[in-house]
Amino acid sequence: EPEVTQTPSHQVTQMGQEVILRCVPISNHLYFYWYRQILGQKVEFLVSFYNNEISEKSEIFDDQFSVERPDGSNFTLKIRSTKLEDSAMYFCASSGAENERTEAFFGQGTRLTVV
Amino acid sequence: AQSVAQPEDQVNVAEGNPLTVKCTYSVSGNPYLFWYVQYPNRGLQFLLKYITGDNLVKGSYGFEAEFNKSQTSFHLKKPSALVSDSALYFCAVRDSITSGTYKYIFGTGTRLKVLA
Repeated sequence: EPEVTQTPSHQVTQMGQEVILRCVPISNHLYFYWYRQILGQKVEFLVSFYNNEISEKSEIFDDQFSVERPDGSNFTLKIRSTKLEDSAMYFCASSGAENERTEAFFGQGTRLTVV
Repeated sequence: AQSVAQPEDQVNVAEGNPLTVKCTYSVSGNPYLFWYVQYPNRGLQFLLKYITGDNLVKGSYGFEAEFNKSQTSFHLKKPSALVSDSALYFCAVRDSITSGTYKYIFGTGTRLKVLA
């Protein structure tokens, strides 16, 4: 069964450092997402990406965040200068192979710890 | 704007008993509704969805959900709970594409504990 894969599974970084979280969505999907979850609680939308551009972003997704799909397969989330409150589980998701009615498939997540 | 509410932080049920996890939603157009399950230290796993058609949808692991348009609800159910069903359950909604948004909005999650 196809799946979304994320690397690394766990990233520890110092405050102020840049991190890049990587994702390989399901190959024929058209819509891509980043979500985050703090301490097993609410799953918060960060950004959606379609047709090689951001289609929507939340207020959490400020200038410190950026996304990229550099080579048609990988989908990355960059945090330029991490803050302690960026510590969370970050999930990548993809959807929409045939149409927009499909469910989103989630990766296993990257646990980001900012110290 | 889309929103989802899961009114119960936790639901406890005895093994073998039926379970219900509640969800209500708000969207501007026709809703696409989903249930996901999250086991400890794992990602979100898709259980089932309602797009159109029969109000009762069946999904993985014996779960089902009933779409009720008048009550704007999409409660998750299972006739006989298993201890292994213990996990965090998320309801999610996505508005139709005519709304101009593609994102899935999640509820706050309900922790299900099935007691042996």
